[in-house]
Formats: sequence, structure tokens, C-alpha cells
Amino acid sequence: ELKVEQNPLFLSMQEGKNYTIYCNYSTTSDRLYWYRQDPGKSLESLFVLLSNGAVKQEGRLMASLDTKARLSTLHITAAVHDLSATYFCAVAYMEYGNKLVFGAGTILRVKS
Amino acid sequence: DVKVTQSSRYLVKRTGEKVFLECVQDMDHENMFWYRQDPGLGLRLIYFSYDVKMKEKGDIPEGYSVSREKKERFSLILESASTNQTSMYLCASLPGTGFSGETQYFGPGTRLLVL
Repeated sequence: ELKVEQNPLFLSMQEGKNYTIYCNYSTTSDRLYWYRQDPGKSLESLFVLLSNGAVKQEGRLMASLDTKARLSTLHITAAVHDLSATYFCAVAYMEYGNKLVFGAGTILRVKS
Repeated sequence: DVKVTQSSRYLVKRTGEKVFLECVQDMDHENMFWYRQDPGLGLRLIYFSYDVKMKEKGDIPEGYSVSREKKERFSLILESASTNQTSMYLCASLPGTGFSGETQYFGPGTRLLVL
């Protein structure tokens, strides 16, 4: 069964702090995506990770992929209020074409 | 910029009604998807289509059908709406095969309430 588990599901943090969101998946995959969703809005693509050891950074967010551990992390550095949103990871499986399996999402609230 | 639009942002329907949700993309993408989003469950795939007139079931197709008569348009149909279909519905599109790392582009979502 294809399963994607994110934790934590809810994260409240102070501005300026660092934290990591974890994304575990059950079956070998060749692609992993991170999305951001603001309240009432649609999903916005953040990162696409295609290979073991891939690391991508955009501003205060950095995503990495360890395909052997079936784990991706989204690291937040020196959080600011504007990062408050829900973050989803999603895993693609080659044998299922372009199907994505999503994690439940992590609600991030950054308090000033 | 890729644009994916959905016909309604909010919709209220009665149990038993037939409901049509429309999605249009303007980037000539081959693949289109319908998801529903529920709190704590993430996004779950209902149906997807990789070409005109082609469709594949996703994880939760029961109670839904789809239509793709033109490349740019993908419709989700609730044959007889039920209260457990109250949800946020998101459409997405994807160019090519997706294997070279393209990402899915999402529409703004339709929040459906079935009374």
C-alpha cells in the first residue's frame, strides 16, 4: 500500500526558530514534491526532488531527499510569520504513471 | 504562467442532485487530475486523465465520474450527491510524462457543501 506520512501535523513556532518537517513514504519512489497551501488558496509548488541526496533551497526553506531511508525533510531556518501555511509532501510512483500520493499536511503557525 | 481555473469557488447542492465541477487549463497539458481535500487526510486522488477521452481511477473513485472531451477541460461529475461528498475539490494539470520533474499545477479549488 502506498503511504505517505508527515509529522508533525501541527507546528507552532516562534519567529527566528528552526524546525524540520518530516515526510516518510512506504514504497520506493523516484520523485518527491513539496507544496505550500495558504488558507483558502490552492497548492503552490515549492520543490521537486528527483534523486537520492537531492537538496534544494529557497529562502528560509530547504528540502532534502534520502531515497534509501524513504525520507524527505523540509527544514525551516529562522522562521518568519509569512511562512505560516500548510505544507504537503507528495510522492510519485513510476509504476502508477503520474499519480501522486499526498501526506496529510503540516499546519505551520509562526508566532511573532 | 500556467493557469488552471475551476468553474466555481463555492457550491451548495442538495442530496441526490447531479453536480458538475469544471476545470480548464490553458497550457496544453496532457495530464489532468481531480482530488478532494479533507482535513487531516491530505489530498486524495479521485480520477486522472492522461489524454483526451482517457481516464483512470484514482484512490477514491466511488460516487464520481469524469469526462475529458477536450484537452483543456476535465469535468468531475457527482452522479447523485451525498453529504459525505462535502469537501474541497482541487483540479491539477501536468505537462508531458512528469518523469523529468515537472510539477502539478493546481486550480483554486471548489468548496462543495451537500445538504
